[in-house]
Amino acid sequence: GNSVTQMEGPVTLSEEAFLTINCTYTATGYPSLFWYVQYPGEGLQLLLKATKADDKGSNKGFEATYRKETTSFHLEKGSVQVSDSAVYFCALLNTGNQFYFGTGTSLTVIP
Amino acid sequence: GEEVAQTPKHLVRGEGQKAKLYCAPIKGHSYVFWYQQVLKNEFKFLISFQNENVFDETGMPKERFSAKCLPNSPCSLEIQATKLEDSAVYFCASSRGGQGAIYEQYFGPGTRLTVT
Repeated sequence: GNSVTQMEGPVTLSEEAFLTINCTYTATGYPSLFWYVQYPGEGLQLLLKATKADDKGSNKGFEATYRKETTSFHLEKGSVQVSDSAVYFCALLNTGNQFYFGTGTSLTVIP
Repeated sequence: GEEVAQTPKHLVRGEGQKAKLYCAPIKGHSYVFWYQQVLKNEFKFLISFQNENVFDETGMPKERFSAKCLPNSPCSLEIQATKLEDSAVYFCASSRGGQGAIYEQYFGPGTRLTVT
């Protein structure tokens, strides 16, 4: 079946620290992988995506690489800002066209 | 439109009342998906449509939940006789395809339903 396992939070970092949020998946076939961000009181925003193995998605300083051999799609950012405080969701989309989301990781960045 | 639109933004209902949520997909998108986000951020797939036809309803609680996508109207998700546990944010998403390949889904801003 399809599922996403995401690093549990909450995560608290100081401004300019390095961020890693781990995400691993189980899937049949060759899914596309996504990271979504949800700011307080808002909806889901697509942060980045990768559609095939070894693709790297990147946006706003965030990066994630689709690793088929380790079934992972870890999110990284070299230097976080207070404005990055949000909940981050790893997600998988397969040919059945139903999203499978991780449980979300809450990130708080303190000045 | 260029974005998925959902109305209302917030909805408060007393237990046992009916709740109806609306979703207008992006113009040209033929697939619509409903998801429920409950406490602790868990997302649950409810139902999807291909145009006005149900595509996948494996996540729908059959007893009190129903959904429709009619031509020239917003799609709707209706909950009869709401319960406290229905309190959640309901997200709608749309995509231009749904079979045989992976099509990116675009999410609306969500409707927050509070059942008191």
